[in-house]
Amino acid sequence: DAKTTQPPSMDCAEGRAANLPCNHSTISGNEYVYWYRQIHSQGPQYIIHGLKNNETNEMASLIITEDRKSSTLILPHATLRDTAVYYCIVRAPHTGNQFYFGTGTSLTVIP
Amino acid sequence: DTGVSQDPRHKITKRGQNVTFRCDPISEHNRLYWYRQTLGQGPEFLTYFQNEAQLEKSRLLSDRFSAERPKGSFSTLEIQRTEQGDSAMYLCASSRSGTEIYGYTFGSGTRLTVV
Repeated sequence: DAKTTQPPSMDCAEGRAANLPCNHSTISGNEYVYWYRQIHSQGPQYIIHGLKNNETNEMASLIITEDRKSSTLILPHATLRDTAVYYCIVRAPHTGNQFYFGTGTSLTVIP
Repeated sequence: DTGVSQDPRHKITKRGQNVTFRCDPISEHNRLYWYRQTLGQGPEFLTYFQNEAQLEKSRLLSDRFSAERPKGSFSTLEIQRTEQGDSAMYLCASSRSGTEIYGYTFGSGTRLTVV
């Protein structure tokens, strides 16, 4: 699976959009981009995934560049409960059963 | 759907003792995964079951570690002769075959402290 690079930490003001970047310059054509988050003392929680097109669900939006070498997770109106570590993972389906989490981005939402 | 349950939430044990953790996956999920997470790191894969069969094991799973899923429902992870380096959060996740593209559901984990 392709390696991802994320900033170790970010701050965001409550109510503002949080934009979390991820670089995955070696992504292969069949690899999806996944985002999970982990709130302190809990297990990781699936947020969203995408292949080429931008995706949106009730939690977040995922913007993938046209060359697929980077992506951005957007939390449109960050709340204090969004404070967590956010992991960007690239993975091809049906190629094994592991998600490689890396160290993620620690997002702190500030009141 | 009550989610993935793990028991206990916390365990403190003395070095050299054996410990066992339990994971109850979401009832209709036939796949079950164990991960380990140390402080400041992301979760690392340990092993995976499809029904009762253990199909994949990481090199992290030393001989002191054993996992079972005897009836394809709950799973146990046992660590024998614990060492201080085993101190970590042990996470269980589950999924249903054919839906892995949508990710896994994780439990809240068991935090092990070896003193």
